[in-house]
Formats: sequence, C-alpha cells, structure tokens
Amino acid sequence: DTGVSQNPRHKITKRGQNVTFRCDPISEHNRLYWYRQTLGQGPEFLTYFQNEAQLEKSRLLSDRFSAERPKGSFSTLEIQRTEQGDSAMYLCASSLEGRETYEQYFGPGTRLTVT
Amino acid sequence: TQLLEQSPQFLSIQEGENLTVYCNSSSVFSSLQWYRQEPGEGPVLLVTVVTGGEVKKLKRLTFQFGDARKDSSLHITAAQPGDTGLYLCAVNNAGGTSYGKLTFGQGTILTVHP
Repeated sequence: DTGVSQNPRHKITKRGQNVTFRCDPISEHNRLYWYRQTLGQGPEFLTYFQNEAQLEKSRLLSDRFSAERPKGSFSTLEIQRTEQGDSAMYLCASSLEGRETYEQYFGPGTRLTVT
Repeated sequence: TQLLEQSPQFLSIQEGENLTVYCNSSSVFSSLQWYRQEPGEGPVLLVTVVTGGEVKKLKRLTFQFGDARKDSSLHITAAQPGDTGLYLCAVNNAGGTSYGKLTFGQGTILTVHP
C-alpha cells in the first residue's frame, strides 16, 4: 500500500505529558500538511511543508506544538505539555507540487485523548 | 463566520431515499472538492470540480459546481447504508496561498438506515 500512513493510530496521555506523532506521505509527494479535526467538524489547517521547509503555520499552532520534516520525507508533530483541549484527531495529508487542483491524500489520522 | 457553509448538518434517511447536500459561500473559487470520511478514518477525496456549471457523476453520486463557482451540491440517488459518513466540501488557495492549503466546511453527517 503506497498511501499516507500515520502512527500511532490512537494515543491516550495524561495532561502535561509530551506526545509525538509520525506521518509518512506518499513517496513522490513533496508537499505535506497537518490538520486537526474535532468531533463533528471539518479538519482545520495546522501547518505545511514543501520538501523539508516549513512554509506556513496556523495561529491554531501554539508554541507547545512543533512539526518537523527533516529529510523531506516523513514528518513528526510534537505537542508539549498536553492540555485537554488538545484532544482531537490529527490528520496528515500529502500532495504533489504542480497539480493545479491541489488534490490532497489523507492518512487515517492519530486520535489523541488527553485525560 | 465559516468560509464554506454546509447544509444540512445532520441527515438521517432510510435506504433507497434520495438526498442532496449543499456547500455555499459568498466567495468565488477556482475549484472545489468533496470528501467522504468514515468514523476513525481520514477524509477520502471523491471529486474535484473546476468549471462553473460542471456536473460530475460517480456511480450514484452527482456533483455540481455552481455557475458562479461559489457553491456546490452533492446528490445521492437510492442511498445505501454504505454511504453513511461525514461529507465534507473543501476549497484550496483560500486567502491567496499558492500551495493548496485546504479550507473545509463543517460537514454533513449522513446516516442511512437499512
């Protein structure tokens, strides 16, 4: 399967702990996106990478959030000092530069529960 | 206010019924996408519409892009339980970005009862 993969699929953590999620995009895709989705809502944009460069961060991404894509392949999203309000589904998507319609392919997501 | 307003928010119907979901905005878009998302999974792209007035069909699903490229609709004929899910419309390049950041509507939760 050459789709977008995310690990772990589920994470339960206590408030104040740090968590890290991983995303492996479709291999030839150079654009990678992170979104957050709360129950019953559409995904909201968090951040975007083109190759290894992080080119935009949403105001939703507080200082406790950091994302990396060190070699322009997989990406990690870390949340430090988690809060209950961080509980959500974290989605990763990838796309190929040059496609005019910017079709994005999503991974299955990581469901975070902060207790 | 949401850039994309979807209606209805919830739809519960019986198998075999027809339904239409709407995605409206006051802004003009170069393209619009529809996704379907099942519980615990990521959204899956169904279709991209590009031209004003365009109609695309995917089996029992019919997608239409408004003439002015401000709105879109999704019509499902003879709904089946397998159609159950969250239907999302999305646009890219909102705010003038050049790389395709997606902005989503809040979605329509469809439940089709056997």
